[in-house]
Amino acid sequence: DGGITQSPKYLFRKEGQNVTLSCEQNLNHDAMYWYRQDPGQGLRLIYYSQIVNDFQKGDIAEGYSVSREKKESFPLTVTSAQKNPTAFYLCASTPQGLSNTGELFFGEGSRLTVL
Amino acid sequence: SQQGEEDPQALSIQEGENATMNCSYKTSINNLQWYRQNSGRGLVHLILIRSNEREKHSGRLRVTLDTSKKSSSLLITASRAADTASYFCATKGTGGFKTIFGAGTRLFVKA
Repeated sequence: DGGITQSPKYLFRKEGQNVTLSCEQNLNHDAMYWYRQDPGQGLRLIYYSQIVNDFQKGDIAEGYSVSREKKESFPLTVTSAQKNPTAFYLCASTPQGLSNTGELFFGEGSRLTVL
Repeated sequence: SQQGEEDPQALSIQEGENATMNCSYKTSINNLQWYRQNSGRGLVHLILIRSNEREKHSGRLRVTLDTSKKSSSLLITASRAADTASYFCATKGTGGFKTIFGAGTRLFVKA
């Protein structure tokens, strides 16, 4: 089935460690996004990529890094520079082009807890 | 920066009742979307309304849009316990690539 797969679903990290969250899609979508969600709050955009080998910072990019070497993959690294990384991370994708409505297709999320 | 603001933050109703959630936004939009999120899960797209539309229906969902007031409402009719979830409005601006989300309304439907 087509969709977006995020892994791992749960991740625990010690302070000072970098961790990488995986996001893979087989929807043939050009654009991919990473959002962060804190308890009881909406989604905040971390990074987005409209095309392979290109990505832009969102509203809260500090302490995070991404790569887009393949159309299907958009991994997010949470670095030790991120001061408060405990959160629920959501990956999404959308087709591009003039007909793009911005409707996002989401993965099931990865919950990161810093110990 | 957040674009949408949902109201109320939380809503508790009995099964069979209607649930209404409101969303306000700040800038010009291309369209407005509503998403649903079950606890601990990803978001699922429910319905989209374009800036030149005023009302749209999908099953038990009814969405209205008032661009003069920069507001939208989502009505869920004849609610079911399975409708218990958080509901988010999201906007796609004119000329932008980003979809911006509000803080959501938590709906609890009691059986």
